Amino acid sequence: QVVLTQSPSASASLGASVKLTCTLSSGHSSYTIAWHQQRPEKGPRYLMKVNNDGSHRKGDGIPDRFSGSSSGAERYLTISSLQSEDEADYYCQTWGTGPSGPSWVFGGGTKLTVL
Amino acid sequence: QVQLVESGGGVVQPGGSLKLSCAASGFTFSNYAMHWVRQAPDKGLEWVAFIRYDDGTKKYFGDSVKGRFTISRDNSKNTLYLQINSLRTEDTAVYYCGKDSATGDFGDHLVDYWGQGTLVTVSS
Repeated sequence: QVVLTQSPSASASLGASVKLTCTLSSGHSSYTIAWHQQRPEKGPRYLMKVNNDGSHRKGDGIPDRFSGSSSGAERYLTISSLQSEDEADYYCQTWGTGPSGPSWVFGGGTKLTVL
Repeated sequence: QVQLVESGGGVVQPGGSLKLSCAASGFTFSNYAMHWVRQAPDKGLEWVAFIRYDDGTKKYFGDSVKGRFTISRDNSKNTLYLQINSLRTEDTAVYYCGKDSATGDFGDHLVDYWGQGTLVTVSS
């Protein structure tokens, strides 16, 4: 069963860049993940998919400030030129197949604070 | 544009039942699998259920809801459903429907659009 690990919190200054990490559990380093943003009191919003080769595909209307990359079992979300509206929870998601069929999993989320 | 609108949430007593709906528009509903995902108060996202794009021949559930929740869809009405039975206090959450990113069976099965959610509160 694949597990996704995220740091609980991150912070960066207004206008700076931040790189969030999602780590795939052992044996699952080839998996594609999705990044989702959840602003306070709002529903989640899909940002992008990140493949194991580092290629990524963004959702509709996602600004160029958001990008994805990959290294081994780690998948990254980089946000540049941070704005106050980027303060949110960020979740990664993936899926895998086990003995009882496919299942989907989310990381615990990273709370991003824009200083 | 893609729109997903959930409804049917409310306050229900432990042991009770509820049926949630998700009305979809802006895409060919019958070409895409769908998900339900929930979020308990001040907690992270938890995947609940998946249904294949067609008439729902394949359905999968998270361990915490297996045997109590049922997912279904009506492609003629562009609507997804979640029947939740034997409710427990720990089922209290906002329930979101999500569109799957794969076309048919091809591609990665990840959520690429979300609804705004509907709140289910289980309390006596």
